[in-house]
Amino acid sequence: QKEVEQDPGPLSVPEGAIVSLNCTYSNSAFQYFMWYRQYSRKGPELLMYTYSSGNKEDGRFTAQVDKSSKYISLFIRDSQPSDSATYLCATAGGTSYGKLTFGQGTILTVHP
Amino acid sequence: DAGITQSPRHKVTETGTPVTLRCHQTENHRYMYWYRQDPGHGLRLIHYSYGVKDTDKGEVSDGYSVSRSKTEDFLLTLESATSSQTSVYFCAISGPGQGLGGNQPQHFGDGTRLSIL
Repeated sequence: QKEVEQDPGPLSVPEGAIVSLNCTYSNSAFQYFMWYRQYSRKGPELLMYTYSSGNKEDGRFTAQVDKSSKYISLFIRDSQPSDSATYLCATAGGTSYGKLTFGQGTILTVHP
Repeated sequence: DAGITQSPRHKVTETGTPVTLRCHQTENHRYMYWYRQDPGHGLRLIHYSYGVKDTDKGEVSDGYSVSRSKTEDFLLTLESATSSQTSVYFCAISGPGQGLGGNQPQHFGDGTRLSIL
């Protein structure tokens, strides 16, 4: 079993929809949680960075962490065609020199 | 954008040849990482560095070596390239971070597409 599992998708939604992207993890030592967005032929770009449980909002994006169930989510409101990309969740924790463990990524397409 | 430059951006080479990929940063960050990205596997850590001349292995380090002689440069070397090392390679940096952990978010370069025939 991988340490971080991510719904593989692909996910296709109409413009304006609310998108929910999800990951589960197995290592209770993870304390830092990130979401990255990756456009084709580009490097991952940090979207959200959270520590421990709770919600964090940034514009149309909300990251949610539930450490009790080891579940992390990213919600995108009013999705736009420009949101079409691969979304990667990542976790880190402890004295790991900041090493990240990534999910496999979910490909999202938002149709006009 | 974080000041990370990867070179070359594309490379095609033959099995058995040595290959060196370069990551250069202008942020003076302490931590640097090399990942490979393959379909179905996501991003997997190859090696990382927590300071000049301080490096360690990641999840998929076999067949790879690294060096960091200056804060700004982190080199990844495939001593004798194999077809299984065909991939997209990403460099990442984080920092400044103090002491162990350095759990700052990582920022990525735009990758090197490496094809080994």
